[in-house]
Amino acid sequence: NAGVTQTPKFRVLKTGQSMTLLCAQDMNHEYMYWYRQDPGMGLRLIHYSVGEGTTAKGEVPDGYNVSRLKKQNFLLGLESAAPSQTSVYFCASRPNRPGTSSRDTQYFGPGTRLTVL
Amino acid sequence: KNQVEQSPQSLIILEGKNCTLQCNYTVSPFSNLRWYKQDTGRGPVSLTIMTFSENTKSNGRYTATLDADTKQSSLHITASQLSDSASYICVVSARGSQGNLIFGKGTKLSVKP
Repeated sequence: NAGVTQTPKFRVLKTGQSMTLLCAQDMNHEYMYWYRQDPGMGLRLIHYSVGEGTTAKGEVPDGYNVSRLKKQNFLLGLESAAPSQTSVYFCASRPNRPGTSSRDTQYFGPGTRLTVL
Repeated sequence: KNQVEQSPQSLIILEGKNCTLQCNYTVSPFSNLRWYKQDTGRGPVSLTIMTFSENTKSNGRYTATLDADTKQSSLHITASQLSDSASYICVVSARGSQGNLIFGKGTKLSVKP
């Protein structure tokens, strides 16, 4: 199986444009996450989902929206892109296996490099 | 505030040498601690995971230690290889956090021939 995939790999936007980043996983994982990674900073959680049809805000949700209509897909939307949203975006997923030491292991996609001019 | 601090920020070593990376955390209540490896241009990949009761875990040439009393962890890399060049990220999970993770900023390791 492919694991976690992200499309597109690269994108350049102009300020004010909108776009959607797609994350797909084929591991039947319940939990999915969107992070952004900026130079000199740790990964920061934007939004996450604990199951199909549910989403929740993370640490830095402003300017982003998400949807989880299907269990295997998690979409991240930018309605009106700003230069501050220039970043590398990572999607991750993990299974829900309470009581096991691997239950929190998140599996990451390859990332999407977004530049907003 | 839950935080994860790593040192050094960056490190350059010669191929074949050993090195140790440090991680201090203030996450409470603690659930587990992971070390992730992130190659340039790729997503992070989990190397080891340790819970409160575990104080050492190995994965090939990587050995992680955990001192839950002092809230410190280290990642020791033995006989480094060029392919070890990457960022190493310490990640801590708090109990009851729905598995949400607190990430350190990472240590960028460069292994030179």
